Amino acid sequence: DTAVSQTPKYLVTQMGNDKSIKCEQNLGHDTMYWYKQDSKKFLKIMFSYNNKELIINETVPNRFSPKSPDKAHLNLHINSLELGDSAVYFCASSQRDRGQPLHFGNGTRLTVT
Amino acid sequence: AQRVTQPEKLLSVFKGAPVELKCNYSYSGSPELFWYVQYSRQRLQLLLRHISRESIKGFTADLNKGETSFHLKKPFAQEEDSAMYYCALGGNRDDKIIFGKGTRLHILP
Repeated sequence: DTAVSQTPKYLVTQMGNDKSIKCEQNLGHDTMYWYKQDSKKFLKIMFSYNNKELIINETVPNRFSPKSPDKAHLNLHINSLELGDSAVYFCASSQRDRGQPLHFGNGTRLTVT
Repeated sequence: AQRVTQPEKLLSVFKGAPVELKCNYSYSGSPELFWYVQYSRQRLQLLLRHISRESIKGFTADLNKGETSFHLKKPFAQEEDSAMYYCALGGNRDDKIIFGKGTRLHILP
């Protein structure tokens, strides 16, 4: 069974469109995250939710809106897509205790044309 | 402020040679350090964490608080070790886990 699953795996869309990426974890973790990996492979945290509550919100444009309907799901909605949004987006989960590692999904490769 | 530095963007090593991937950190609290590996077009996977003090796939890493380092080492490189390696830093419960810029390890035949 996949522990952290995100869909879709690939997303190709045009500038100005709105798109969503879904993430689900079956590990029973209380915290979920979105990370962005750019073309240089830099990995940067975007958001973190703990039990449906937003706890980390890095300086991400407000076109990006995370939504957590329950602690097993964290979706990412992006409005008015721009070329610079092209990246691989990774969902991750963990228990919010010291020393607990992140468990990552397979990533969603977003290409904005 | 939390900071993780991986000074090498690319490291090329011959098969059978020793490997050392450098990681330095800056953190005011008690750090939690991790190494993650990403094989080509795959998800990031946890390789090591300092609290476990274990060896995975022949890799080890020791936290040196005096030098604020957590270098990843392997005595004999194998071709399947070619991948991106990320050092990551966490700490207090309310602090995020941040990643270094990554080092691409290329094992030469």
